[in-house]
Amino acid sequence: QQQVKQSPQSLIVQKGGISIINCAYENTAFDYFPWYQQFPGKGPALLIAIRPDVSEKKEGRFTISFNKSAKQFSLHIMDSQPGDSATYFCAATIQGLIFGKGTRLHILP
Amino acid sequence: EAGVTQSPTHLIKTRGQQATLRCSPISGHTSVYWYQQALGLGLQFLLWYDEGEERNRGNFPPRFSGRQFPNYSSELNVNALELEDSALYLCASNPSSGSYNEQFFGPGTRLTVL
Repeated sequence: QQQVKQSPQSLIVQKGGISIINCAYENTAFDYFPWYQQFPGKGPALLIAIRPDVSEKKEGRFTISFNKSAKQFSLHIMDSQPGDSATYFCAATIQGLIFGKGTRLHILP
Repeated sequence: EAGVTQSPTHLIKTRGQQATLRCSPISGHTSVYWYQQALGLGLQFLLWYDEGEERNRGNFPPRFSGRQFPNYSSELNVNALELEDSALYLCASNPSSGSYNEQFFGPGTRLTVL
């Protein structure tokens, strides 16, 4: 019940395409859902986050879609660029972030 | 504003030894979190300290312990090191107790156990 399941494990997208990463959770007590971006050799950096009372949040090319009834949320990266190539983690909070296992995204130039 | 800092960057130990990892939070942040990032396992929550107290711990054995100092910096100790403890250990901080939002991560300490 504490898990956050993330898919896919890896993703290859052409430059300019849309990258979509999905996460699902079970615990309805989670109240904050961030996405983190991690480059090799660096710690994760907060990218965008959403609360369950909102169905969508957009910041630049990054959008979170949240489906409370399905207990799913997803990250969409529009106009994907080679600089977006990184590992992305979804997470949910309950006294410490519970992370998904990550998606390694590679954008082809 | 300086970010979260961690030391050392790399640490090599042998099985059975003890490791001490250090973290300095962003100025003004009182909460410090520790995570383990092992290959293929994602990030696992280890410990949460706030105002000098341990507030919560993840599903790790007692040989993982730590403390938070009056200046809010923190130390993670791993006793009786095992090979599977090899991982990147990440520290994160945020401004206030009870708020799990917007955790800011340091670059991590890469621990290798031989």
